[in-house]
Amino acid sequence: IVLTQSPATLSLSPGERATLSCWASQSLDTSLDWFQQKSGQAPRLLIYEASNRATGIPARFSGSGSGTDFTLTISSLEPEDFAVYYCQQRIEWPLTFGGGTKVEI
Amino acid sequence: VQLVESGGTLVQPGGSLRLSCAASGFPFSTYKMNWIRQTPGKGLEWVAEISQTNTIYYTDSVMGRFTISRDNVKSSVYLHMNILRDEDTAVYYCARRLDRIGYYYFDEWGQGTLVTVSP
Repeated sequence: IVLTQSPATLSLSPGERATLSCWASQSLDTSLDWFQQKSGQAPRLLIYEASNRATGIPARFSGSGSGTDFTLTISSLEPEDFAVYYCQQRIEWPLTFGGGTKVEI
Repeated sequence: VQLVESGGTLVQPGGSLRLSCAASGFPFSTYKMNWIRQTPGKGLEWVAEISQTNTIYYTDSVMGRFTISRDNVKSSVYLHMNILRDEDTAVYYCARRLDRIGYYYFDEWGQGTLVTVSP
C-alpha cells in the first residue's frame, strides 16, 4: 500500500493552523497512525487509529479521515511543533509509511 | 519504558552484522517487537516483526537475508543481518507494538543505531 503525503513542505508561522494530508492507494478503514519526528530523534506516536491522540499528546493535534483520505491538523502551531510528520498504515503487510511532510517556520 | 539499540557500525557489502535492542520498564515477553529503518532516500521502512510466540514477518527486501529473534530472559530483540547491501544503509529503530482490541500501534521507539554498508 502506497501512502502519499502532501504537501512535502509546509511553511507556516507559530500560531497558524497546519493541515497535513495522507492518501492511501487502497482503503485502510481507520488503520492509520501519525508520527512526529524531530531532527536527530526517533519518531513519536501522535495519533493512532486515524483520530485518537496518543498519551501525552496536546489537544491541538487532531486526526481525521477513513478509507483512503486522512488529515492531521495542528490547530495553532507551537515552536516545538516544527518537525517532520509521517503517516503509517497497518491494515496490510508490509506495513508502510508515507514520505513525510516537513512543517517549517 | 526504554528501548536501547546497539550494534550499528560500518560494514562492507556482503558482510554480516547483529543489532540488539535492550528493553526495560515493561513486561517484554508480552509484547510484539519490530525493527524499522530510516534512510534519507527511502524514508521510514518497516523491516520485521516478532511476536510473543515467535511468529515472524519480514519485508520482501530483507527476506532470506535478515533474521529477527528475541530473548525474553534478557528482554532483548535482535536483528541478524547477512549479505548486506548498500541499500541497507540506514538508522535502525526497534519499536514496541501495543495491541488493543481490534487495532495496534507502535507506541515506543528506541533512539536508533546507524548501519553503514560501504566498501
